[in-house]
Amino acid sequence: QKEVEQNSGPLSVPEGAIASLNCTYSDRGSQSFFWYRQYSGKSPELIMFIYSNGDKEDGRFTAQLNKASQYVSLLIRDSQPSDSATYLCAVMPTDKLIFGTGTRLQVFP
Amino acid sequence: SAVISQKPSRDICQRGTSLTIQCQVDSQVTMMFWYRQQPGQSLTLIATANQGSEATYESGFVIDKFPISRPNLTFSTLTVSNMSPEDSSIYLCSVETGSPYEQYFGPGTRLTVT
Repeated sequence: QKEVEQNSGPLSVPEGAIASLNCTYSDRGSQSFFWYRQYSGKSPELIMFIYSNGDKEDGRFTAQLNKASQYVSLLIRDSQPSDSATYLCAVMPTDKLIFGTGTRLQVFP
Repeated sequence: SAVISQKPSRDICQRGTSLTIQCQVDSQVTMMFWYRQQPGQSLTLIATANQGSEATYESGFVIDKFPISRPNLTFSTLTVSNMSPEDSSIYLCSVETGSPYEQYFGPGTRLTVT
């Protein structure tokens, strides 16, 4: 079992819709969770982090964490074509980040 | 966050040679990291570089192949030694700054080995 699992996609959503990106992790001791956005040919950009169970909102982005289910998600409201990118989930079970393989999101006009 | 630069941005090298990648940060940071991202893959941590101590390498990566320097709190280098085509990848440095555990990435170095 991979330490951090994501559906590779692509996830295609129409402009203005909610995009829901999901991530599961294997280490129950993980305490810190991150979402990175990576445009093609660019480096990853940190967009959200969450440490506690529940929801955390930042603008159009909401991160959701359920430690009991070992599940973290990212919701993007009012999706825009500029949101089209690969979204990487990262988990910190010890002192280093473990990245998932990413979900490619496509937002079409 | 921090402003991070890397040099070179890309390079094409012949097998058997070595390339040193530089990472510069605009503020002092304790933790710096080197990652590799192979085409279509996610990020793999190569090593953690703390100023004043030896780098800590992850499983599958050794100092002879990937020597790292960390002479001060704003700079680090990663050398890819005796390169083979399998070393073709994007190499990224990152720093931990702001709140604990938040890592920010440099723009990356795209390496092609022929």
